[in-house]
This record gives sequence, C-alpha cells and structure tokens, in this order.
Amino acid sequence: KAGVTQTPRYLIKTRGQQVTLSCSPISGHRSVSWYQQTPGQGLQFLFEYFSETQRNKGNFPGRFSGRQFSNSRSEMNVSTLELGDSALYLCASSFWTAGMNTEAFFGQGTRLTVV
Amino acid sequence: LAKTTQPISMDSYEGQEVNITCSHNNIATNDYITWYQQFPSQGPRFIIQGYKTKVTNEVASLFIPADRKSSTLSLPRVSLSDTAVYYCLVGDGAAGNKLTFGGGTRVLVKP
Repeated sequence: KAGVTQTPRYLIKTRGQQVTLSCSPISGHRSVSWYQQTPGQGLQFLFEYFSETQRNKGNFPGRFSGRQFSNSRSEMNVSTLELGDSALYLCASSFWTAGMNTEAFFGQGTRLTVV
Repeated sequence: LAKTTQPISMDSYEGQEVNITCSHNNIATNDYITWYQQFPSQGPRFIIQGYKTKVTNEVASLFIPADRKSSTLSLPRVSLSDTAVYYCLVGDGAAGNKLTFGGGTRVLVKP
C-alpha cells in the first residue's frame, strides 16, 4: 500500500511569508503527527491530529498551526516565516488504538528553506 | 515522559554485530521501548519495539533486562547501508502518537 506522502518535497520562502505543507497518511490511518527536524534541535514534535481534532501539541509558537480533513489528510501552516524555521518537516501517520503503542510511518519530509 | 540516554556515535565494520544501549531509568510501568532508524534527509523508520525480555524480528533484536531501566538494540552483521542514526524512544502511546526523540546514536559502518 502507498506510504505517507508529503508535498512539496522542497520549498524556498522569504522571511515574513507563510507556507502550507501537505501530508497524505496511509489509508486507514487516522492519527497524523508533525515534526520539525533541525541540526541544532533535532527532531521535535509539533502537533498531532486524530479524527480532525488536535490531540497533542508540542512547544512551538502559535505561528505553527495545522488541521486535518475528514479523509485524514493533514496540512500544517507556518505564518510570518523566520530564518530559524528552515528545517525538514516530517509527517507521520499511524493506526492508533487506545492502550497500544503503535508504529508511526513517516513521510520523506518537506525541506523548507527560509531566506 | 521517560528521558533516554544513548551514545552519540559508534563506528563498526561490515559484517560485525552492532549493539546500542539506551538508558531509561525513569521508565513507567506502561511504557514500551521503541527504536527508529533514520537515513539523511528521510523520515525515521520503525525498527523494533518491546516491553520486556527479548524481541527479535528480521532486522534486529531488542534486549530488555528485568528492571527495564535500559535496553540494547542489536544489529547483526551490519552492512554499509546500515549507516544511519538510531533513536531509542520510551512511551505508552496512551495519549496518542506524540513521539519524543532524543539525540540518537549515529552509527557509521566502515568497509
């Protein structure tokens, strides 16, 4: 079956602009999580959506937001971009069930460069 | 969330066995131990998960002692393509899929 698909793969934006990244999870997966990876901070959790509701949120400013649609596809938005937002943004989907620690499947990521 | 500690880097040679130990002294009763592998510019990939004793799959083994305060990922007969960063994670997933990654262990396999 198809894996997690993230679009676009690469993006260059200017400071102050906003950006929207897209993630299509594996069919049947209702949990979608987003992560930011930078050389300095490593892999950091942004937020998780489950059945169109944000269920968990990491420690990021309000400029970072997301949403999930009824088909489980998810988007994340970063407004007023800063140079420090340059990173690899990763999306992960899973077939989450209460009480289980399920495997997360990651996409290839979107490489965002802010200039 | 239980904090994990693992070596920053390890070197090995093709054909050898690589063992990476992760410390998680504050692991909770419901926590599982999960290992992910990441290649440059790619998303992490699930390798193995366990709760106690030993778990083995087609790519790795996971050894967990009775006190569960540490775990060891064992990669048998590594090849150059096993060069990657390996992350040890601890959690119960009860509140959802919020994975907390530490610094990981950078494994370099040499010819």
